[in-house]
Amino acid sequence: SQKIEQNSEALNIQEGKTATLTCNYTNYSPAYLQWYRQDPGRGPVFLLLIRENEKEKRKERLKVTFDTTLKQSLFHITASQPADSATYLCAPGGYSSASKIIFGSGTRLSIRP
Amino acid sequence: NAGVTQTPKFQVLKTGQSMTLQCAQDMNHNSMYWYRQDPGMGLRLIYYSASEGTTDKGEVPNGYNVSRLNKREFSLRLESAAPSQTSVYFCASSEAGNQETQYFGPGTRLLVL
Repeated sequence: SQKIEQNSEALNIQEGKTATLTCNYTNYSPAYLQWYRQDPGRGPVFLLLIRENEKEKRKERLKVTFDTTLKQSLFHITASQPADSATYLCAPGGYSSASKIIFGSGTRLSIRP
Repeated sequence: NAGVTQTPKFQVLKTGQSMTLQCAQDMNHNSMYWYRQDPGMGLRLIYYSASEGTTDKGEVPNGYNVSRLNKREFSLRLESAAPSQTSVYFCASSEAGNQETQYFGPGTRLLVL
């Protein structure tokens, strides 16, 4: 069955450093992969989408890579700030609405001042 | 724009009771979704509606029913609540049916005793 793996343990990073989160998937060939941010007690918020034919995508301090050979996506936050502390979810998706999007369980990121 | 709204925010039910969770979006989106989120499990799709008038089962549909009342509203009904349905429920919407860029509501926290 399709499986999405994200670091289950929290990631603690010093402010100003680059945070790197990993998303691995198996038994799946997604057409795209999304990253969402979720704060405690709130719904997820969309951040970035990268398609299978794109190696890298950037948005301000965020960068996402997508390696279909390794079946892995990396999510980077450069110059991290305490306000970046949250849980980050990856969500590979398919070609059509029949290919259900699957959410990973998320990685909790904590940026200490 | 309010985005995606959900009612109620919190509900306590006894085993066997029924209730309906309400969701509405004001973004003129075609597709709407219901997820549940449990600790360590990530978001799991219960039902979705690719467009007005259609609904489809997701990963965990047992014990739930849905109604796409119109383009704006998508409700989730628990006919006979069970403790295993204790969870946080999120409604989401997206412009198209391919599940990209989903906008989530604030969630409904449900406790079944």
